[in-house]
Amino acid sequence: NAGVTQTPKFRVLKTGQSMTLLCAQDMNHEYMYWYRQDPGMGLRLIHYSVGEGTTAKGEVPDGYNVSRLKKQNFLLGLESAAPSQTSVYFCASSSTGSSFYEQYFGPGTRLTVT
Amino acid sequence: RKEVEQDPGPFNVPEGATVAFNCTYSNSASQSFFWYRQDCRKEPKLLMSVYSSGNEDGRFTAQLNRASQYISLLIRDSKLSDSATYLCVVNHNQAGTALIFGKGTTLSVSS
Repeated sequence: NAGVTQTPKFRVLKTGQSMTLLCAQDMNHEYMYWYRQDPGMGLRLIHYSVGEGTTAKGEVPDGYNVSRLKKQNFLLGLESAAPSQTSVYFCASSSTGSSFYEQYFGPGTRLTVT
Repeated sequence: RKEVEQDPGPFNVPEGATVAFNCTYSNSASQSFFWYRQDCRKEPKLLMSVYSSGNEDGRFTAQLNRASQYISLLIRDSKLSDSATYLCVVNHNQAGTALIFGKGTTLSVSS
């Protein structure tokens, strides 16, 4: 199993450009999450999804949109990138039930906005 | 007060040492507690859950003190491979959603 994969691994954007980060999981997990990690800030939740077709805002949702059209995929979009969005983005997934709180993370996407 | 606070370190210890990390959390309604490990430039991975009675996994022991809102992680007989950042993580409610991550404590084990 690949687990959680993220595409792309690295990206450099100019201010105002748009892009979509793709997260895919092959564990049949219901829950998926997007986090950003900045130096000195820890991981912060951007958006999450509790199932196909549903999404919700996390702690820092501004400037981002998400979609979960298929259970295995969770997309994070930046419509107009800003330098403040330079960060490492991690996608994660978790199942329901007793193992719910073990989140499996993808390898991350390093985004630089100039 | 921040939701989950940790001493960022770094903790520099020799192989074989015992080292302890502490973490405090602000929400007394918090119900689930964890330690995640993150290697440099890698994704976080679950190290262990933390139970009220305390729990051990090999060289790792986790403790929870709900009254003081305090979590600890003890690593015995440190190995070079233990060098990483250790994230204290809390979930506030049974309905789930997301985990609240501390900023992490960095451990460096040297030979």
